[in-house]
Amino acid sequence: EPEVTQTPSHQVTQMGQEVILRCVPISNHLYFYWYRQILGQKVEFLVSFYNNEISEKSEIFDDQFSVERPDGSNFTLKIRSTKLEDSAMYFCASSEGGTALYGYTFGSGTRLTVV
Amino acid sequence: DAKTTQPTSMDCAEGRAANLPCNHSTISGNEYVYWYRQIHSQGPQYIIHGLKNNETNEMASLIITEDRKSSTLILPHATLRDTAVYYCIVRVPNTGNQFYFGTGTSLTVIP
Repeated sequence: EPEVTQTPSHQVTQMGQEVILRCVPISNHLYFYWYRQILGQKVEFLVSFYNNEISEKSEIFDDQFSVERPDGSNFTLKIRSTKLEDSAMYFCASSEGGTALYGYTFGSGTRLTVV
Repeated sequence: DAKTTQPTSMDCAEGRAANLPCNHSTISGNEYVYWYRQIHSQGPQYIIHGLKNNETNEMASLIITEDRKSSTLILPHATLRDTAVYYCIVRVPNTGNQFYFGTGTSLTVIP
């Protein structure tokens, strides 16, 4: 069964450093997403991406965050200057269609620890 | 999106059917009901969705009441691997791409 692949599985970074989280969505999917989950809290939407541009973003997704699809397969989330409160599991997801008629496929996540 | 109410936690004996309820009394006519689950620290996993008819796939069945104010996700023969947090989400298509995950129901399958 097709999978969404995320790397690395765990990243530790110092406060103020830049991090890039990487995702390989399912090959025929056109819509891409990032969610995060702070330990013990809800899964929160960050951003959705379609046709090489952001289609929707949440209040969490401020100027410190950016997304990119640098080639035909990767989808990345960059945090420019990490803060302690950015420590969370970050999940990438993709879907074939953009409406809510399609379920998403999520990756297994990257655990980001900011120290 | 309509608010949903789910029990905080449930237990189910292995091999028995797990019936997870969800109330969505303020659901509007064009809102769909989605179910996802999250197995410990993994990414959420799509299970099933429906509008008003009952739905079944290889993972589960979704029973939606006639007035659509509530629904039940049924795992017909629960296994230990079904232990997870189950999220019921109600949303309208074409109003954006995000899903709002609440606190869900923590299902524990007991041997």
